[in-house]
Amino acid sequence: GQQLNQSPQSMFIQEGEDVSMNCTSSSIFNTWLWYKQDPGEGPVLLIALYKAGELTSNGRLTAQFGITRKDSFLNISASIPSDVGIYFCAGQGDYKLSFGAGTTVTVRA
Amino acid sequence: NAGVTQTPKFRVLKTGQSMTLLCAQDMNHEYMYWYRQDPGMGLRLIHYSVGEGTTAKGEVPDGYNVSRLKKQNFLLGLESAAPSQTSVYFCASGGVIQYFGAGTRLSVL
Repeated sequence: GQQLNQSPQSMFIQEGEDVSMNCTSSSIFNTWLWYKQDPGEGPVLLIALYKAGELTSNGRLTAQFGITRKDSFLNISASIPSDVGIYFCAGQGDYKLSFGAGTTVTVRA
Repeated sequence: NAGVTQTPKFRVLKTGQSMTLLCAQDMNHEYMYWYRQDPGMGLRLIHYSVGEGTTAKGEVPDGYNVSRLKKQNFLLGLESAAPSQTSVYFCASGGVIQYFGAGTRLSVL
């Protein structure tokens, strides 16, 4: 499978902060997806991006499909405690997904 | 809305035992997938199916078999479990966008 490089690997958030994470690939994808996984659950789709250059928002979440089709980023604005979890990027090609290793978001004590 | 349902949720096996994981979807999707999730590695595709009666290998197929006898069901089998197969297994259905079950946590001792 394709290898996606997702960064950062982990981050700590304080309520109200804006956070960013990104994903890069050596291959081109037709679609970029961002999922969130809560403990003990399966990944849940947050945002889907279908076109190079596309910028899409879903509430406090904003994601962009890179112009080269090899990267994507996700921003979370004004973070709240329920934003903790693992965020995964995924690139789609031929109806198969390749996943990044995930960004673990935890609350700063 | 059931979506994607996986059974069982937890299982402990001894090395060499066999078992079958069941996935059921009620969204009439043609495509179904089995992934494994290991710490720090994201989700990796084991096998997938593009329709009833079809199966294909993914990224990490060794040691697993699958069957898709009915459109709504996708079974993952371990014929002779090994400790390296200790993981969390997720089923998904969809295509461009995939919807995930809650996972099966498997330990092989």
